[in-house]
Amino acid sequence: GIQVEQSPPDLILQEGANSTLRCNFSDSVNNLQWFHQNPWGQLINLFYIPSGTKQNGRLSATTVATERYSLLYISSSQTTDSGVYFCAVERYSNSGYALNFGKGTSLLVTP
Amino acid sequence: GAVVSQHPSRVICKSGTSVKIECRSLDFQATTMFWYRQFPKKSLMLMATSNEGSKATYEQGVEKDKFLINHASLTLSTLTVTSAHPEDSSFYICSATTDMNTEAFFGQGTRLTVV
Repeated sequence: GIQVEQSPPDLILQEGANSTLRCNFSDSVNNLQWFHQNPWGQLINLFYIPSGTKQNGRLSATTVATERYSLLYISSSQTTDSGVYFCAVERYSNSGYALNFGKGTSLLVTP
Repeated sequence: GAVVSQHPSRVICKSGTSVKIECRSLDFQATTMFWYRQFPKKSLMLMATSNEGSKATYEQGVEKDKFLINHASLTLSTLTVTSAHPEDSSFYICSATTDMNTEAFFGQGTRLTVV
């Protein structure tokens, strides 16, 4: 099956700093999504980005499908950005197409 | 964005009892719904996929008799953990996709504790 690797696994930032999270995947994909899981477990959709670049406020993402990676940029980080960031790619499973998740990047933003 | 509501958010049950978790798409019709399980500080693992009106398809290693999934309508899927045991304690999350594209939206999750 398709492999999804995220880096770094853990990251500590001071408020106001910028960061880049990376997602590598082992095969071509139809769909790639970035999520933020808050401390209560809710997965928040950040980007649906199988290719190209998108921006939403302080966040932006770029997926280079031909080179099988995606990047999530966080600028001017805030303490509310803390949590786990997951990259997920669509794969074919026993049950059809479903998202396969990376192990996540755990981000802590300190005041 | 599309809204998926999951209920209950937290449940504690006694060993041997069954627990039902509901997943509803509130503002769209979800032809396909997915159930995931997440262990502490781990990633999400797909358990099964359900399509409205048909039997769920389970991932390898997931006991279909233990985790009963029903997708009776285009807005509701349920996961029933039967004869729950402490090892079934986990965070269960559902998601749904629309017909428009394959972007998935997730419920709030259910934290199950079996005592």
